[in-house]
Amino acid sequence: GQNIDQPTEMTATEGAIVQINCTYQTSGFNGLFWYQQHAGEAPTFLSYNVLDGLEEKGRFSSFLSRSKGYSYLLLKELQMKDSASYLCAVKGSGNTGKLIFGQGTTLQVKP
Amino acid sequence: NAGVMQNPRHLVRRRGQEARLRCSPMKGHSHVYWYRQLPEEGLKFMVYLQKENIIDESGMPKERFSAEFPKEGPSILRIQQVVRGDSAAYFCASSPSGGNQPQHFGDGTRLSIL
Repeated sequence: GQNIDQPTEMTATEGAIVQINCTYQTSGFNGLFWYQQHAGEAPTFLSYNVLDGLEEKGRFSSFLSRSKGYSYLLLKELQMKDSASYLCAVKGSGNTGKLIFGQGTTLQVKP
Repeated sequence: NAGVMQNPRHLVRRRGQEARLRCSPMKGHSHVYWYRQLPEEGLKFMVYLQKENIIDESGMPKERFSAEFPKEGPSILRIQQVVRGDSAAYFCASSPSGGNQPQHFGDGTRLSIL
């Protein structure tokens, strides 16, 4: 089967660092994506990992371990506007184009 | 540089009516994907299309749902004889190719069935 797990909710303080974990079990793997989604808005692309290791992009970093079926999104210097849902999605192998999404992690940043 | 455009943003239908959701991909993108998001659930893949071709419809319900992406004009997701369970947010995404380039999402259509 195909399964992607993320924590449902997280809370963190403005200025802090937060790590959002994602574990996956999919038939085939062709990359992992992280998206941010504010309530009532479109998911926006944050990062993409296909090889093991860390990808850094400003305040956001994403890590992948294919052997462990594990990824995390690291958010540094949290700002109030980072309060949103963070979606982990895996692309399977083949020509499908299909992204398999987790349920998302709702992050609340408090002052 | 317009992003993915979906319309309408909100659509209300009575049970048994038809719903037509439209999606214009980003300029230069020829690959379109439709996803459904039920309340308190994650995005679920429905269908992947290129111009005039359905590439993967493994997530489409077998009945009442259809999708097209004609040579000219937007992609259309059609739901016939809607039922209460069809109430959801329907998101369209596009990408330049079918590789591992990120999919860019529109703002979605919120469908409500009375």
